[in-house]
Amino acid sequence: DAGVIQSPRHEVTEMGQEVTLRCKPISGHDYLFWYRQTMMRGLELLIYFNNNVPIDDSGMPEDRFSAKMPNASFSTLKIQPSEPRDSAVYFCASRRLTGELFFGEGSRLTVL
Amino acid sequence: DAKTTQPPSMDCAEGRAANLPCNHSTISGNEYVYWYRQIHSQGPQYIIHGLKNNETNEMASLIITEDRKSSTLILPHATLRDTAVYYCIVSPRGTLNQGGKLIFGQGTELSVKP
Repeated sequence: DAGVIQSPRHEVTEMGQEVTLRCKPISGHDYLFWYRQTMMRGLELLIYFNNNVPIDDSGMPEDRFSAKMPNASFSTLKIQPSEPRDSAVYFCASRRLTGELFFGEGSRLTVL
Repeated sequence: DAKTTQPPSMDCAEGRAANLPCNHSTISGNEYVYWYRQIHSQGPQYIIHGLKNNETNEMASLIITEDRKSSTLILPHATLRDTAVYYCIVSPRGTLNQGGKLIFGQGTELSVKP
């Protein structure tokens, strides 16, 4: 299996622009998670899905952030409008019902 | 908030055993202890997990105290490639009702030195 695939790996954008991060989970995995990592706050859980349905979005920082999972093989995390404080590495992860969590390589976002 | 306490950093000589401690004094009966590590610029990687018995796999051993309030991850022969941040996490094993989401703390930064 190819593992969890994230794109883009690096994104540099200007404040106010829309950013869309993409994730393809491992086939057959029921859960998908979005995390954000910064030096100050460490690894934070933003939202997770079970069978394409959002279960817990309490970690989403504000309304500028939204996440969707239109089908079992694709999810997006969108930031609109982006701000410099959104600069971070965003990780997607997936797992089966009782399996271990597998992470992608992350998307490094820089907002100027 | 994370339910575990780990030292922020540790050093280990190459070839020696690395023993990484973790306190989880408020662990519940249905919660497992998980260990993940994150090598610089990569996504976190699963290492091992356990409920109450000691566990061993090809990467590491996990020793859980009888009262389950603390545990130790052991890398038997550390190499330079084991330099990483190691996270100890407690969480219910995933079920539909429990969710089984993993909340990461600050972890222990292990430096393996030649």
